[in-house]
Amino acid sequence: EVQLLESGGGLVQPGGSLRLSCAASGFAFSSSAMTWVRQAPGKGLEWVALISANGLGTYYADSVKGRFIISRDNSKNTHYLHMSSLRAEDTALYYCAKGSAASGFDPWGQGTLVTVSS
Amino acid sequence: EVVMTQSPGTLSVSPGERATLSCRASQSVSSSLAWYQQRPGQAPRLLIYSASTRATGVPARFSGSGSGTEFTLTISSLQSEDVAVYYCQQYNNWPPYTFGQGTKLEIK
Repeated sequence: EVQLLESGGGLVQPGGSLRLSCAASGFAFSSSAMTWVRQAPGKGLEWVALISANGLGTYYADSVKGRFIISRDNSKNTHYLHMSSLRAEDTALYYCAKGSAASGFDPWGQGTLVTVSS
Repeated sequence: EVVMTQSPGTLSVSPGERATLSCRASQSVSSSLAWYQQRPGQAPRLLIYSASTRATGVPARFSGSGSGTEFTLTISSLQSEDVAVYYCQQYNNWPPYTFGQGTKLEIK
């Protein structure tokens, strides 16, 4: 069964840092691009970042560029989102998903909640 | 950046009736268009990719059409489990990948 499991969310103060993890199973992780998408409370979907299968290509939304870093460890079937200089507007449910340039994002994890507040 | 605009914002349809959801792109995205379903309290789920190809396990009552800048998601006979928010997404001109603002589908 294809599965993605996010972890690492929590409450953090403005200006703080957090690292999200996404553990994958049931598919060829090292051959797959991976991505993060977030959803602020009661709002729509916003793409955050994507990393290529070999980790050499990384892409970011302008809203997080310079503050977030996406990375991966293919030996652990896990990818990460390192978030720093967090702002209140980064508060959201963060989903990881398997990315594809040819067929959209599928599947998705259940999400991990990040709350930025003092 | 390609802006995706969905209409209507909310759609109320009777059980067994047809539901038609629209998505417009600010510039051509060819057929690089996906539709997602997000049921209340759940993660999004891929329904359609390449504008008209159903993802694995998606019921045949869901169909997608269109190319360029105009796209449609049709549910031929609405079931109660189809109550959800539906999002379109373009993956032709990225980064960034962009989503529409969503259409909320309700049972009348």
